[in-house]
Amino acid sequence: DAKTTQPTSMDCAEGRAANLPCNHSTISGNEYVYWYRQIHSQGPQYIIHGLKNNETNEMASLIITEDRKSSTLILPHATLRDTAVYYCIVRANSNSGYALNFGKGTSLLVTP
Amino acid sequence: SQTIHQWPATLVQPVGSPLSLECTVEGTSNPNLYWYRQAAGRGLQLLFYSVGIGQISSEVPQNLSASRPQDRQFILSSKKLLLSDSGFYLCALAGPQDLYNEQFFGPGTRLTVL
Repeated sequence: DAKTTQPTSMDCAEGRAANLPCNHSTISGNEYVYWYRQIHSQGPQYIIHGLKNNETNEMASLIITEDRKSSTLILPHATLRDTAVYYCIVRANSNSGYALNFGKGTSLLVTP
Repeated sequence: SQTIHQWPATLVQPVGSPLSLECTVEGTSNPNLYWYRQAAGRGLQLLFYSVGIGQISSEVPQNLSASRPQDRQFILSSKKLLLSDSGFYLCALAGPQDLYNEQFFGPGTRLTVL
């Protein structure tokens, strides 16, 4: 799986958009970009994933650059409950049982 | 919907004692199951994964072992705990028919070895 690079921490004011960047310059053609988050003392939670097109669901939007070397997770209206560590993961999809390779992620603090 | 049960929620054990953590899942059949560990201040580390009954793959050599006696049951064990085994243990599943292998995580067990 390709390596990802994320900022260690970010702050965001409540109600504003949180834009979390991720660099994955060595991504290969069959690898997807996944985002998970982990709220303190809980298990990680799936947010969104994409291959090359931008994606949106009820939680967030994922913007992937045309060359696929970086992406941004957007939380459109951050709330205090969005304070968590956000993980960007790149991997190919298969049913071989391979697990997700979580890095250190970005610690997002949403402030009042 | 899929549900993952883990118990106990918290556990305090002395060094050298045995360990058994259980994970059971509902709402899915023939899932891929995973054990992760998160040490204090560190990222998630994959310990074991299983694609079926009796099939276990180990990612990290250590004093832990895993077993899958039933389709929806995954057990993490140790004969003698070390101080370094302290951490947050998470069970996760991915549906075998899920093309994208999105993983769902359980509530976790927080283990402290003294």
